[in-house]
Amino acid sequence: DAGVIQSPRHEVTEMGQEVTLRCKPISGHDYLFWYRQTMMRGLELLIYFNNNVPIDDSGMPEDRFSAKMPNASFSTLKIQPSEPRDSAVYFCASSRTGGRSPLHFGNGTRLTVT
Amino acid sequence: DQQVKQNSPSLSVQEGRISILNCDYTNSMFDYFLWYKKYPAEGPTFLISISSIKDKNEDGRFTVFLNKSAKHLSLHIVPSQPGDSAVYFCAARNSGYALNFGKGTSLLVTP
Repeated sequence: DAGVIQSPRHEVTEMGQEVTLRCKPISGHDYLFWYRQTMMRGLELLIYFNNNVPIDDSGMPEDRFSAKMPNASFSTLKIQPSEPRDSAVYFCASSRTGGRSPLHFGNGTRLTVT
Repeated sequence: DQQVKQNSPSLSVQEGRISILNCDYTNSMFDYFLWYKKYPAEGPTFLISISSIKDKNEDGRFTVFLNKSAKHLSLHIVPSQPGDSAVYFCAARNSGYALNFGKGTSLLVTP
């Protein structure tokens, strides 16, 4: 398996700009998760999809954040407009159906908003 | 509110000794628990898990213990090795598929 692939690895942008983070899940996995890691809040769930359909987006901080999964092999997390408090590491993870299936994480995107 | 808590931000252990990482949870609906290990600049990787119907699960040097009445679980690493130095996250799941994570414990194993 190639693992979960995230791009870019690092993103530095100015406040007010649009940021798009990308994720390719492991082939055959039908659940996809977006998490954010900060020092203050640790790893927090933003949104997750099942078979490309958003199931729970209650963790999305505000309307500036949006996520899509147009097909089984691609998802995006968009922040528009970005703010300095959005600076964090954003992880994408995927898993197979089955309550005992662990999540497999990508290496994350480190976002810095100046 | 943090439903999964790791109250020790860091732990230092000598090589060859036992490392014990602790985790507490508040949601009695959690029925599956996992430990993840994370190296710098990498994503968390799955280490070991335990179902709520068990109180112990072992995999090589790693053992997870679950005390449901105390809502407490722990990860034991025996013997500890320098390569075990990483951040360890405790996670829990209820009926859904998403995981609730603790804030992590940074383990340093010294030679």
